[in-house]
Amino acid sequence: DADVTQTPRNRITKTGKRIMLECSQTKGHDRMYWYRQDPGLGLRLIYYSFDVKDINKGEISDGYSVSRQAQAKFSLSLESAIPNQTALYFCATSRGRTGELFFGEGSRLTVL
Amino acid sequence: QKEVEQDPGPLSVPEGAIVSLNCTYSNSAFQYFMWYRQYSRKGPELLMYTYSSGNKEDGRFTAQVDKSSKYISLFIRDSQPSDSATYLCAGATFGNEKLTFGTGTRLTIIP
Repeated sequence: DADVTQTPRNRITKTGKRIMLECSQTKGHDRMYWYRQDPGLGLRLIYYSFDVKDINKGEISDGYSVSRQAQAKFSLSLESAIPNQTALYFCATSRGRTGELFFGEGSRLTVL
Repeated sequence: QKEVEQDPGPLSVPEGAIVSLNCTYSNSAFQYFMWYRQYSRKGPELLMYTYSSGNKEDGRFTAQVDKSSKYISLFIRDSQPSDSATYLCAGATFGNEKLTFGTGTRLTIIP
């Protein structure tokens, strides 16, 4: 089984719908991240959490919210999806100051 | 200007060739650098990690950092078809631990 699991792997939705992407990890890491990947723009940080009570905005947090339900679970929500949120979303974890990120396999979201 | 610039390619080379992948960065505060490899339909995985100027070698891979010119490189010797992937460079500062990624270079090794 994957150490960092994302669900769903693929989702097609319509403009205005609420969407939640879920991430769970078995690596025992405190730090969790949500990134989006777009062609030509690379990976951009949406939100990150260094522990259950710590939530921080990344460089592109507008239109997104997150919830850290437990050390192992970090969810990303789009309250009202719009087409330019169509992207590949990655959850990642890290052990701490090493900076090494461990990524899930991604959730491809299409907003029509 | 993006903090980390990377030629997106695509780059195609014959099997066995030496591959050179390059990034430039503008943030002088970056203290360590990473190269991630991303296969199609997969998440990125760490390939190389370095925090000082100079070269770091791991098997067929060599990471090179020149902080004076803000230039980082990844060399792949004896390239194999299994090296076909997108390669992402990233920089970060100690105490921040938020990586800033380049856009990635798509590499294809032709058998």
